[in-house]
Amino acid sequence: GDSVTQMEGPVTLSEEAFLTINCTYTATGYPSLFWYVQYPGEGLQLLLKATKADDKGSNKGFEATYRKETTSFHLEKGSVQVSDSAVYFCALQYNQGGKLIFGQGTELSVKP
Amino acid sequence: GAVVSQHPSWVICKSGTSVKIECRSLDFQATTMFWYRQFPKQSLMLMATSNEGSKATYEQGVEKDKFLINHASLTLSTLTVTSAHPEDSSFYICSARIWDRESTDTQYFGPGTRLTVL
Repeated sequence: GDSVTQMEGPVTLSEEAFLTINCTYTATGYPSLFWYVQYPGEGLQLLLKATKADDKGSNKGFEATYRKETTSFHLEKGSVQVSDSAVYFCALQYNQGGKLIFGQGTELSVKP
Repeated sequence: GAVVSQHPSWVICKSGTSVKIECRSLDFQATTMFWYRQFPKQSLMLMATSNEGSKATYEQGVEKDKFLINHASLTLSTLTVTSAHPEDSSFYICSARIWDRESTDTQYFGPGTRLTVL
């Protein structure tokens, strides 16, 4: 079945370090891909998305490129801040209105 | 932006009792709300899709008689865990969907409810 796999956390980085959180997916079709972020005590928020192969989603300095050949959607940021500390979820969705299938989440902790 | 609230944020109950969790969209109307369950270090698993004014659609393996969902208005959905047992202890998260031609399909998530059954 369809699934999403993320790298295990927690990921601990120093401020201004480069961030990569790996996400790979298994899908029978061509889903849209998403990254959600959950800050402590808050609900999940959509961070970025890509709807087709080779699309790049970007927001708040974060980027992810939809790679069909490697079935991946890795999240990157060039210079993390303490305020980026959160749990990040990768997800896929087949069509508008379809259900979201989430990865297990990756906790990021950024130290000053 | 759109805000979704959940109440309570944390609840402890005795085995055999029922617990109701509320999910509200505070500044928008949502024809569809979703209920998820999350175990520690694991994914959010969709439990059911709730459409206002109609019966919820449950995912395979979710007991509809145990997890009662009511979506009586465009801003409120409730999840009632009936005859709760310790294995029902989990983090329950709701989301509300806005779907219009400009913004496409976006789900806004509540902060979650931690249920502990003793």
